[in-house]
Amino acid sequence: AQSVTQLDSQVPVFEEAPVELRCNYSSSVSVYLFWYVQYPNQGLQLLLKYLSGSTLVKGINGFEAEFNKSQTSFHLRKPSVHISDTAEYFCAVSEGQGGSEKLVFGKGTKLTVNP
Amino acid sequence: KAGVTQTPRYLIKTRGQQVTLSCSPISGHRSVSWYQQTPGQGLQFLFEYFSETQRNKGNFPGRFSGRQFSNSRSEMNVSTLELGDSALYLCASSFDGFTGELFFGEGSRLTVL
Repeated sequence: AQSVTQLDSQVPVFEEAPVELRCNYSSSVSVYLFWYVQYPNQGLQLLLKYLSGSTLVKGINGFEAEFNKSQTSFHLRKPSVHISDTAEYFCAVSEGQGGSEKLVFGKGTKLTVNP
Repeated sequence: KAGVTQTPRYLIKTRGQQVTLSCSPISGHRSVSWYQQTPGQGLQFLFEYFSETQRNKGNFPGRFSGRQFSNSRSEMNVSTLELGDSALYLCASSFDGFTGELFFGEGSRLTVL
C-alpha cells in the first residue's frame, strides 16, 4: 500500500525567509505526486503536481517542488514566504497508469509565517 | 465558473441517526470523490464516482455509502452515526478522474453528539 510521510507537523518561519516542507512517499509503481494547501475553514487547493517529465515542478504562489525518485521524495520549497502563506500543506500520491482518483495524503504540515 | 458546492456546511446529529451530505461538482466534471478529514486520521479516501458508477472505495464500513446522479451531483450517506464519525467531509471533483487535479469544496462539518 502506498503511504506518504510529511516529516514535520509544524514549521514556523519568519516572513521573507525561505521554507522547505518535506515529503517522502512509498510506492512500488510509478506515481503522480501533488501538494495541496488548506487555508482555515476552507477546502484544499492544488499547489502543484508531478505527473511526468521535468523533476522540478513550479506551482502557484511562487512554490516549487522537486521529484527525487531515488530518495522517494517530493519536497516543497518557497524562497521567500509571506504572512498569507500561513496554512496547512498536504503532500499526496496517487497511482499512475490511469488509476482513478484515489489520493493518499500525508498528515499535513502547518506552516506559520511570523512577522 | 462556479466551484464545488457542498451542503450543508455544518450539521449536528446524535448517535444512531443518519445523515446525507450533498455535493455539486464543477460544471463538466464527471468524477466526484469524497474524503473524511479528522485531526487524528487526517484525510482519508471514502469513495469515487464516475458517470454514476463507483470506481473506487476506501476502507470504511458499510455504514458509509454514496451515489452519483446523471447530472454528476453526488450524495454520501452515513447511517447509524457514531461519535467517531465527527469530521469534515470533503467532496472533490475532476474532469475525468485520471490526473489527480482535484477541486475541493469547503466541506460539510459533521458533529455527532
